[in-house]
Amino acid sequence: SQQGEEDPQALSIQEGENATMNCSYKTSINNLQWYRQNSGRGLVHLILIRSNEREKHSGRLRVTLDTSKKSSSLLITASRAADTASYFCATYGSGNTGKLIFGQGTTLQVKP
Amino acid sequence: GAVVSQHPSWVICKSGTSVKIECRSLDFQATTMFWYRQFPKQSLMLMATSNEGSKATYEQGVEKDKFLINHASLTLSTLTVTSAHPEDSSFYICSTSGGIAGFSYEQYFGPGTRLTVT
Repeated sequence: SQQGEEDPQALSIQEGENATMNCSYKTSINNLQWYRQNSGRGLVHLILIRSNEREKHSGRLRVTLDTSKKSSSLLITASRAADTASYFCATYGSGNTGKLIFGQGTTLQVKP
Repeated sequence: GAVVSQHPSWVICKSGTSVKIECRSLDFQATTMFWYRQFPKQSLMLMATSNEGSKATYEQGVEKDKFLINHASLTLSTLTVTSAHPEDSSFYICSTSGGIAGFSYEQYFGPGTRLTVT
C-alpha cells in the first residue's frame, strides 16, 4: 500500500531553477527518507530526516518535515539536467518490520 | 553502504514459462531482503520480505505460489515468477538494509530487472 501522496506528479523546469516536491504520509513516523530513481534503474538514497528534525541539508538538497501536518518537502536548488529523475519519499510501515513504504513519486525533468 | 546486484537486468520470456531473478548482496550478509514491483510511471509496491533460512512474508494480494522466493544464503535471494503472463511484465527491484557498518534506516537497492512476458 502507498503511504501517501506526492505532488506534483510531474515537474518540468529549466536548468538553474529550483525544484520543490512535496510528500504527505498517513501514519506516525520515526523518520522519512527521500530516494531518487533514474529511468529504468534502482533507487538511490538521498537523505533521511528524523521525526524530531524540522529541516536538513545535504549539498543542493533541502528537506523539511512537518509532523503536525504529516508532510515533507524536498527542495533541489540550482537544478542541473543530471537531476532529471523520479523522486520518492518513503517511510517505514507500522511495527518493526523494516518495510519501507513509498509515496507515488514526482517525475522531475530539468531542461538544459 | 551495501552493494546490491541483480541478474538478469532484463529478460523476455514466453507466456507460461518461469523466470528466476537473482538478488545478491555483494559486501554484506543480508538476513532480510525486500522484493518490489514497479509498473511504468508508478511507484514501488512491496511484494514480499525475504528472510534467510525461513519462509518469505508476502504482502496482501501477492500470490506466494506464483512469486516464489528463496533466501538460501546470506548473500542471495531469488524471486521466481512461475507460469508468467503478460500482466506480470514489470520492473522487479530488490533491496536490503544495513551494510558493513551494520543496520541503517536507509535501504540499498539493486539496479532492477525488467521482465517482459510475450
